[in-house]
Amino acid sequence: AQSVTQPDIHITVSEGASLELRCNYSYGATPYLFWYVQSPGQGLQLLLKYFSGDTLVQGIKGFEAEFKRSQSSFNLRKPSVHWSDAAEYFCAVGLTGGGNKLTFGTGTQLKVEL
Amino acid sequence: DAGVTQSPTHLIKTRGQQVTLRCSPKSGHDTVSWYQQALGQGPQFIFQYYEEEERQRGNFPDRFSGHQFPNYSSELNVNALLLGDSALYLCASSLGTGGPDTQYFGPGTRLTVL
Repeated sequence: AQSVTQPDIHITVSEGASLELRCNYSYGATPYLFWYVQSPGQGLQLLLKYFSGDTLVQGIKGFEAEFKRSQSSFNLRKPSVHWSDAAEYFCAVGLTGGGNKLTFGTGTQLKVEL
Repeated sequence: DAGVTQSPTHLIKTRGQQVTLRCSPKSGHDTVSWYQQALGQGPQFIFQYYEEEERQRGNFPDRFSGHQFPNYSSELNVNALLLGDSALYLCASSLGTGGPDTQYFGPGTRLTVL
């Protein structure tokens, strides 16, 4: 079965600093990859997705992610973090032929220090 | 354009009771998926409905059941509630089931079982 690992449970960065959130997946073929953000008490908002093509994908709110097949990774980055980026971030995987089912990681809680 | 809506926002039940949660998909979407998000965890896939039938199911007992109506809205029913069923229940909508099309999530229903 496929799995998604987000190794960092909590990350704290200063406002204006760069950010990288890690995501590794376990699956034999290239999956579809997603990053979602969840603010307290809210549902999930899609930041970006990778289906195929260019391995560097741009998303909303200045986020980007790079798919690295050799490392089975899809890390999320932002060059300069804003205080409003404080939230929980989830990496998710969907499978070819797997319908719309998503498998999520356990999330990374981002704290931004002013 | 209305997004995914869910009702109620919060719900408190006692062990052994039954509960029904409701979801209206984003306009134009015909597929509804349900996820359970326990505290501190990523969402876990419960099942997916398309054309009024359950198409995929995650690793959840048959106490969890659902329904999809002709207008594509959906219900999630949980019988014989357990303390462990306390969670945020998220509904997601998408178009078709051919692959992991982008899913749009609602704000969720917070279920507390006492």
